[in-house]
Amino acid sequence: NAGVMQNPRHLVRRRGQEARLRCSPMKGHSHVYWYRQLPEEGLKFMVYLQKENIIDESGMPKERFSAEFPKEGPSILRIQQVVRGDSAAYFCASSPIRGSYNEQFFGPGTRLTVL
Amino acid sequence: AQKVTQAQTEISVVEKEDVTLDCVYETRDTTYYLFWYKQPPSGELVFLIRRNSFDEQNEISGRYSWNFQKSTSSFNFTITASQVVDSAVYFCALRINDYKLSFGAGTTVTVRA
Repeated sequence: NAGVMQNPRHLVRRRGQEARLRCSPMKGHSHVYWYRQLPEEGLKFMVYLQKENIIDESGMPKERFSAEFPKEGPSILRIQQVVRGDSAAYFCASSPIRGSYNEQFFGPGTRLTVL
Repeated sequence: AQKVTQAQTEISVVEKEDVTLDCVYETRDTTYYLFWYKQPPSGELVFLIRRNSFDEQNEISGRYSWNFQKSTSSFNFTITASQVVDSAVYFCALRINDYKLSFGAGTTVTVRA
């Protein structure tokens, strides 16, 4: 059973470009979570999605950031008009259910560098 | 609001020494979960342990052990007889609802041969 997959692993963008980060959850998992790790910091929750629904986006910046988890295909975290402050590692996690004993399995992360 | 504090930014030890990582948390909820994750130099996040707030039993897994004390809101992690492969960043995390993890800033452990 393959783990959570994220691609690309490394992404370089120039200021003003768009960044698209993809996350394929583990097989059978319908809950996806995105976290951001700024340099020298711990991970910060961004958004929680189920298939075709955003459940909690309280950690997402209000502008330029969006996330989706379509019925078919991977979850996408999209950052428009990137700025240097967006440089970070973005981790995706998935779980089979939501509840007290759900375990979030993390992907390897995408490291975004904005030049 | 919940908060996780890992006061130690970096710890450096020589192989075979024991190392203890401190984690202090804050929450007003009576039901919560505590986690430790390891992030090796390759960057992925590896789950180590989960503890719920009603289970204060200490746990040992090989060279790893965890000490959970509700009275001091601490969930400390000890690596016994450290090895070079233990070099990593270790994160403590808290979850009060059923999905949102709050992470500490991490402790970088360097084990020298």
